Amino acid sequence: EADIYQTPRYLVIGTGKKITLECSQTMGHDKMYWYQQDPGMELHLIHYSYGVNSTEKGDLSSESTVSRIRTEHFPLTLESARPSHTSQYLCASSVPLVDTQYFGPGTRLTVL
Amino acid sequence: AQTVTQSQPEMSVQEAETVTLSCTYDTSESDYYLFWYKQPPSRQMILVIRQEAYKQQNATENRFSVNFQKAAKSFSLKISDSQLGDAAMYFCAYRSARNYQLIWGAGTKLIIKP
Repeated sequence: EADIYQTPRYLVIGTGKKITLECSQTMGHDKMYWYQQDPGMELHLIHYSYGVNSTEKGDLSSESTVSRIRTEHFPLTLESARPSHTSQYLCASSVPLVDTQYFGPGTRLTVL
Repeated sequence: AQTVTQSQPEMSVQEAETVTLSCTYDTSESDYYLFWYKQPPSRQMILVIRQEAYKQQNATENRFSVNFQKAAKSFSLKISDSQLGDAAMYFCAYRSARNYQLIWGAGTKLIIKP
């Protein structure tokens, strides 16, 4: 399996809290992605980055923000969590030409 | 806009048998890539197989093969000699040659009966 890590794996928090979901990869991939996935459903792209200091919003509107200060690190932040944010968040990275996306194990977020 | 449709929410197959998962897509482009990804329960999503649209030959990876019909915009996955470890959600995905974003189908849950 690819070397892409996400922490925490599970998170239960109260409404209004600020949270940061961590994603790191050790493969030196330029491209990184955040997806939101409800159980058993399709993936929706919420953010992506093609390199350091480059971030873009995906197709699904999200109240989260991301940063890309280092190649290997792509954290996602929710300033004020709400129950509607309850979902699984998947991080992925890819390398040009070969183009396969490698996925992390995901963070399952529950907002009470 | 491109779309990907997986019309089978769930499929089941007897162990050692063959199963085919369907995927259709809609695009006006001629240069693109198609993927099948597997998401086992509580485990990481992994790539199963990849197809370049400009290649006529169907991709094959061991027990996994695709039937790529470009004119019909169809991209089905055939799993031969099904094994218990094949049980997972299978997602079909499309990528335009012009960008790196994947467009995903809704997934098919594959159940393997022992």
